[in-house]
Amino acid sequence: DSGVTQTPKHLITATGQRVTLRCSPRSGDLSVYWYQQSLDQGLQFLIQYYNGEERAKGNILERFSAQQFPDLHSELNLSSLELGDSALYFCASSVGTSAYNEQFFGPGTRLTVL
Amino acid sequence: GNSVTQMEGPVTLSEEAFLTINCTYTATGYPSLFWYVQYPGEGLQLLLKATKADDKGSNKGFEATYRKETTSFHLEKGSVQVSDSAVYFCALSDAGSGNTGKLIFGQGTTLQVKP
Repeated sequence: DSGVTQTPKHLITATGQRVTLRCSPRSGDLSVYWYQQSLDQGLQFLIQYYNGEERAKGNILERFSAQQFPDLHSELNLSSLELGDSALYFCASSVGTSAYNEQFFGPGTRLTVL
Repeated sequence: GNSVTQMEGPVTLSEEAFLTINCTYTATGYPSLFWYVQYPGEGLQLLLKATKADDKGSNKGFEATYRKETTSFHLEKGSVQVSDSAVYFCALSDAGSGNTGKLIFGQGTTLQVKP
C-alpha cells in the first residue's frame, strides 16, 4: 500500500459527459502528479500541483483541468469526454518537487467512455 | 526534448534465467533515472533509482547502473522468479530547468517468467 488513495476505482460513462477523479496524497506529501496510461500513448504526465499551486503542465488537453485543495487532495476534471479518453489515470505524490524525490503511485482510476 | 526508449516486449524467460531490459534516454539536463514496476491490476512501484552518473541502483536482486557515456540505464537480474512477472518502466526526471520532478516514461516492457 503506497498510502495514496484514488476514487473511484472504475468509472464508465458516455461520450460528451464530465467526470471528476479524486486523489488523496500520502500524509506529509505536498506534490501531486497526474498521469494517463493508455495503450496507444503509454504513460504520460498530465499536470502537477505543489501545495495548492499548479507547478508543471504536460500533454493535458484543454478539456481537462485539475486543482489541489487546502487539505492537499487533488481532483482531475475531464469534460466533453471522447472515446479516446478511455485510459487508466494515476495520481502520484511526493514530498517535494525535486527530481530526486520518489513518487508514490495510487492504484489508479480506470475510465471507460462508451 | 527529454525521452526514454525501452526494448520492445514481451520478454519471456524461464525461472532462474538472467534478465536484461534495455533502456536508453535523451535528456538536456542532469536527469535522475528510475525503474518502476507494475504488477497486474496495481499502480506503479519504485523498484530502484540512480541520481548521478556511475550510480548503481539495486533492490530485490535487480540492479541498474547510470551510464552517462552511453545514456543508458539497463535493468538486470541474475535469476528471475515467476513472481517477477510484471510490466517494467524506465523513467527519467530532469533535475535541470524547472526541476518539477515530473517523470517521463518509456513505453514499458512486459516480462513473463514461466516455471
